[in-house]
Amino acid sequence: GDSVTQMEGPVTLSEEAFLTINCTYTATGYPSLFWYVQYPGEGLQLLLKATKADDKGSNKGFEATYRKETTSFHLEKGSVQVSDSAVYFCASSSGGSYIPTFGRGTSLIVHP
Amino acid sequence: SAVISQKPSRDICQRGTSLTIQCQVDSQVTMMFWYRQQPGQSLTLIATANQGSEATYESGFVIDKFPISRPNLTFSTLTVSNMSPEDSSIYLCSVNAGTGLNEQYFGPGTRLTVT
Repeated sequence: GDSVTQMEGPVTLSEEAFLTINCTYTATGYPSLFWYVQYPGEGLQLLLKATKADDKGSNKGFEATYRKETTSFHLEKGSVQVSDSAVYFCASSSGGSYIPTFGRGTSLIVHP
Repeated sequence: SAVISQKPSRDICQRGTSLTIQCQVDSQVTMMFWYRQQPGQSLTLIATANQGSEATYESGFVIDKFPISRPNLTFSTLTVSNMSPEDSSIYLCSVNAGTGLNEQYFGPGTRLTVT
């Protein structure tokens, strides 16, 4: 089955710093890839997705590019804000499954 | 998009008791999913609940411990039975974003502490 590996946290940054959270996957075929975000005390929200190689998902200043050659889907943002503090989950879904496989989550803490 | 609510939002329970968590969706959906998120861990799928049939449980989860009801297309309950401190987790319900789509919408979660 699918598996997703993401960098361990917490990631601690100052406001306006550049963010990268690494995510790699193993899957059968060509999965769809997702980033979900969980703000404190809330459920998960879909942040962005990509469904095929070289697709770039983007939302709220975050971007991630589906790299088949490196089986990666790294999350980036050019300038983080305190309000971006949350836990970020990378996920994949393949083989016609409607159930994503989630990574362990990476906590992001942004200081003013 | 689907709006999902859960009750209760949090609870503190004594070991040996049971808690039923409710999940309400604002639109009709075929499949609903229940996840467990233990402290500092990722999400683990407990079961998939289809209306009109028994829930399908993932490895490591059994119906006696986590009975699920799915009486209609907008509602489901998960019961955590005979609780122990190891059951302390966030429990999340979710639905698929739409037919043929594999992203999910999540409820806000129920934070359970067992003492």
